[in-house]
Amino acid sequence: NAGVTQTPKFQVLKTGQSMTLQCAQDMNHNSMYWYRQDPGMGLRLIYYSASEGTTDKGEVPNGYNVSRLNKREFSLRLESAAPSQTSVYFCASCPEGWGNQPQHFGDGTRLSIL
Amino acid sequence: AQSVTQLGSHVSVSEGALVLLRCNYSSSVPPYLFWYVQYPNQGLQLLLKYTSAATLVKGINGFEAEFKKSETSFHLTKPSAHMSDAAEYFCAVSDSGDYKLSFGAGTTVTVRA
Repeated sequence: NAGVTQTPKFQVLKTGQSMTLQCAQDMNHNSMYWYRQDPGMGLRLIYYSASEGTTDKGEVPNGYNVSRLNKREFSLRLESAAPSQTSVYFCASCPEGWGNQPQHFGDGTRLSIL
Repeated sequence: AQSVTQLGSHVSVSEGALVLLRCNYSSSVPPYLFWYVQYPNQGLQLLLKYTSAATLVKGINGFEAEFKKSETSFHLTKPSAHMSDAAEYFCAVSDSGDYKLSFGAGTTVTVRA
């Protein structure tokens, strides 16, 4: 009964390093999302995938890339990490993102960039 | 795109007192509305959602929210706070047909014994 699984849970990087955050869901959901959470700013959408084979930019896409590997998996890549990308990253999924169905969230990846 | 305003970044209540968290959205067209709760070091969990079937929506853990179109509001309440209600609460809004959710900045609730 895993739901949305994110790996790793914690990571420390040096400026300029690259890293991929992994997300997998076992609920057969069509839509998947990546958010970042910063104090006092709520959650901001980085990228989303409405369905397998599609990806679109959200509010804060700069410095990130995504891959919808298959229906279950949606990864987020930082090509050259910057201190401004220190944040908590959440992956979410939804049966059909355009309706009133709620999103289901993972427990987050806490990323620090030195 | 929708914008969401949560009044008050921190709310402190006594155990047994009313919890009231305010949320206002920007659209003139009734959107889809949600409240989520986040406990420390966890992801967000759905508390309740507005489905347009009723203006008063009941959620988990004794919470409820009232949709008021004239005020573009969706405030969250709980009649009697419990220590376990200490968490951060987020209001979220999306437009019909839009894949994206817009979140408020969040309100942290502390409960005093």
